[in-house]
Amino acid sequence: DTGVSQNPRHKITKRGQNVTFRCDPISEHNRLYWYRQTLGQGPEFLTYFQNEAQLEKSRLLSDRFSAERPKGSFSTLEIQRTEQGDSAMYLCASSPYTGGQIMNTEAFFGQGTRLTVV
Amino acid sequence: AQKVTQAQTEISVVEKEDVTLDCVYETRDTTYYLFWYKQPPSGELVFLIRRNSFDEQNEISGRYSWNFQKSTSSFNFTITASQVVDSAVYFCALSEVGSGGFKTIFGAGTRLFVKA
Repeated sequence: DTGVSQNPRHKITKRGQNVTFRCDPISEHNRLYWYRQTLGQGPEFLTYFQNEAQLEKSRLLSDRFSAERPKGSFSTLEIQRTEQGDSAMYLCASSPYTGGQIMNTEAFFGQGTRLTVV
Repeated sequence: AQKVTQAQTEISVVEKEDVTLDCVYETRDTTYYLFWYKQPPSGELVFLIRRNSFDEQNEISGRYSWNFQKSTSSFNFTITASQVVDSAVYFCALSEVGSGGFKTIFGAGTRLFVKA
């Protein structure tokens, strides 16, 4: 399967614990995005990588959130000291970017990691 | 600031009916992209279409068609002869080139129920 892969699919954690999610994008895609989706809402942008560089972070990404993409391939999203308000679906997406005129290609999404903080 | 509004929270139709999902957007950029995604019960968002702001030509793909009107800032999506498999949440999204082209803003989605 060459789609975007996210692990784990589900995570239940106690408030105050740290959690880490992993995203493996489509191999030739150099753009990677993290989104958060709560029930009944559309995905909300969290952060964006082009290769290994994190180029943009949303104000939604508090100090407790950190994302990395160390080798420009897979990415991790860590949430420290989780709170109940962090419960959501965390979506990863990737897209190709080869320069030129077409900047905004469609993104390919993974199935997400559903986080429940109890 | 960019914004996407999908006023219809839920729509219920009977199979074979036509249905239109509305999308209204706000942006100050002159160059932007609009998208529609489908999110079936499995949860994975599936890309349906991309449109850039300079191309107002309507598009048809099988039972799907899209109507883009810059004058009303709308990008509506019509499913003709709906089928049960069309049941899903549909998201309209906007991406501004001025923001670097990577930040996509999604609407709240329209949940479509197609009954047999």
